[in-house]
Amino acid sequence: GAVVSQHPSRVICKSGTSVKIECRSLDFQATTMFWYRQFPKQSLMLMATSNEGSKATYEQGVEKDKFLINHASLTLSTLTVTSAHPEDSSFYICSAQTGETYGYTFGSGTRLTVV
Amino acid sequence: RKEVEQDPGPFNVPEGATVAFNCTYSNSASQSFFWYRQDCRKEPKLLMSVYSSGNEDGRFTAQLNRASQYISLLIRDSKLSDSATYLCVVDASGAGSYQLTFGKGTKLSVIP
Repeated sequence: GAVVSQHPSRVICKSGTSVKIECRSLDFQATTMFWYRQFPKQSLMLMATSNEGSKATYEQGVEKDKFLINHASLTLSTLTVTSAHPEDSSFYICSAQTGETYGYTFGSGTRLTVV
Repeated sequence: RKEVEQDPGPFNVPEGATVAFNCTYSNSASQSFFWYRQDCRKEPKLLMSVYSSGNEDGRFTAQLNRASQYISLLIRDSKLSDSATYLCVVDASGAGSYQLTFGKGTKLSVIP
C-alpha cells in the first residue's frame, strides 16, 4: 500500500532554533500533503494544506511565517518550524491523498520538544 | 468550525467483551466516514471506512445513520491488542476544498 515516510521521528531543539520535518511519498505521487498537529489528549488539528508547486493554504490561527511549508516535488513536502518555542512542542503528522478508493495515508509523526 | 464528537471514554473492558463507540458529526455535507486507530505516540491508521449500509470486518462492525448524523463502531470479543484510541473521522471535502475533521478519540483499554 501507499507509504508516507516522515522524519525525524523525534527531535529536541533549543528555543529559538528552527526544525525541519520531511515527508516523502514513497510509491505514489502526492499532489497534496496535509500537515497536522496533535497536542496531548487532543485530536489532530489541520495546520495547512500544501500543493505541489504552489503556496500552502494555512488554517486560521496558524502563522505561515512561523510554519514554513515547501512542496517542491510530487514526492516531498517539508514543514519548518522557525524560531521554535516551548509551546510549539507537539506531535506533528503529515498525510497525503493516495488517489485510491480511500486514501489518506499518514506519516509516522514527529515528536518535537522545544527546551 | 464543524465538529465531530465522540464518547469521552476511557473505556476499560475485560478481554472478550463487546464494546461500542459512538460518534456524531455536525456537517451535513459530509461525504465519507472512517474509524481510525491511534496507538500511543503513533500516527493514526485506518481501521475501516463506514458505509450507509453498514459494514463488517471480522470483529469490527461500523454503522452510519446519515439522518441522525451518527456513526458507530462495535468491537466484539475484545483482545488485548485492541487497546488504543479510536478516532472518528469525517470527510466533507469537495471540489477544490479539503475538510477532514477528526474527533478527539475514545481510549479503549482491554484488561486481561
